[in-house]
Amino acid sequence: DAKTTQPNSMESNEEEPVHLPCNHSTISGTDYIHWYRQLPSQGPEYVIHGLTSNVNNRMASLAIAEDRKSSTLILHRATLRDAAVYYCILRDRGAQKLVFGQGTRLTINP
Amino acid sequence: DAMVIQNPRYQVTQFGKPVTLSCSQTLNHNVMYWYQQKSSQAPKLLFHYYDKDFNNEADTPDNFQSRRPNTSFCFLDIRSPGLGDAAMYLCATSGYGGEGVAGELFFGEGSRLTVL
Repeated sequence: DAKTTQPNSMESNEEEPVHLPCNHSTISGTDYIHWYRQLPSQGPEYVIHGLTSNVNNRMASLAIAEDRKSSTLILHRATLRDAAVYYCILRDRGAQKLVFGQGTRLTINP
Repeated sequence: DAMVIQNPRYQVTQFGKPVTLSCSQTLNHNVMYWYQQKSSQAPKLLFHYYDKDFNNEADTPDNFQSRRPNTSFCFLDIRSPGLGDAAMYLCATSGYGGEGVAGELFFGEGSRLTVL
């Protein structure tokens, strides 16, 4: 599986935007970029995914670099409930498996 | 309503005493997964089923087995738990969307195993 690199931790303030970076320089043409997050004491939950174009949903936005070697998950207005570990994962188009890397622990200050 | 349900939420066992964890789903997804997550670590894939086809990860110990009697249920059996097997065990499911693209995973809340 192609590897992703994320900062171990990040901190932000409530009601401010948060930009979570992810590097994936060995991404292949059929790899989708997935983001999951894991709130304390819960199972991971899907956030968003994309292939080439930027994506938006009710939870977040995903900005993908033109060369696809990096991406950024954007939380537009962080709340305390967004404090979690965020995982950036590459997953081949038809792959059944989802393999987690170490993720970024996001702390939100009141 | 919960779509992936794991039981029990908390399991305490003794060293070497077999344990079975269960997972049920209401999503009718054809893929089911078991992950192990130790404290402060990322979830680690143990194995997964695509329908009845079992796919074991190369580094999953033989001590871990799984059964999937039907689409809705999947079990994780730990034959002889050791202290190092204490962890959260997460079950997940996924389906396939159009054109063979794998769908998102839906996780249960996990079963926390303590080994005394």
